[in-house]
Amino acid sequence: GENVEQHPSTLSVQEGDSAVIKCTYSDSASNYFPWYKQELGKGPQLIIDIRSNVGEKKDQRIAVTLNKTAKHFSLHITETQPEDSAVYFCAASLFSGGYNKLIFGAGTRLAVHP
Amino acid sequence: DTGVSQNPRHKITKRGQNVTFRCDPISEHNRLYWYRQTLGQGPEFLTYFQNEAQLEKSRLLSDRFSAERPKGSFSTLEIQRTEQGDSAMYLCASSLVAPSSYNEQFFGPGTRLTVL
Repeated sequence: GENVEQHPSTLSVQEGDSAVIKCTYSDSASNYFPWYKQELGKGPQLIIDIRSNVGEKKDQRIAVTLNKTAKHFSLHITETQPEDSAVYFCAASLFSGGYNKLIFGAGTRLAVHP
Repeated sequence: DTGVSQNPRHKITKRGQNVTFRCDPISEHNRLYWYRQTLGQGPEFLTYFQNEAQLEKSRLLSDRFSAERPKGSFSTLEIQRTEQGDSAMYLCASSLVAPSSYNEQFFGPGTRLTVL
């Protein structure tokens, strides 16, 4: 089955710097890769996702890149702000026939210091 | 509020007791998922429903766990004879499966279970 590894487990940056979180997956058939942000006491919030038919997607300060050959994908946050502090999870899934079971990484705790 | 809601938000129970959690998905979402999240880990898939049909159960879902979605709307997750190892955050997610959709899943706030 699918396995997703995520690193680093913790990341500390200064406000305004960039942050990069990386994930690798094992099942080459996976074709959907969402990223979630989870704040303390809340459920995961979908912030961006990418399908396997594109290599990069950008939404304001957030971008995600996908390398299908190497089976890894990354989240890039530019111009970080204190409100970006949270735990970020990557996930991978095989979307087939309307079904997708998300397999999550272990998470990255991002701290943005003013 | 049109998001996924879960009740209760917190539940403390003694070992051996039964507990039941409820999830109300985003209206018109036909798919509903249950996940479990332990401290410092990502969510782990438990089971999912397409309308009222339960289509897959993880091996994590022991015989003490049962989930229902009787009318294809809200869902309940029951844990019988709770054990301390059941302590976790139980998350519900819903999605709309449609042509050309990649089935984005939207999560609720979770129910945190503590078994004493």
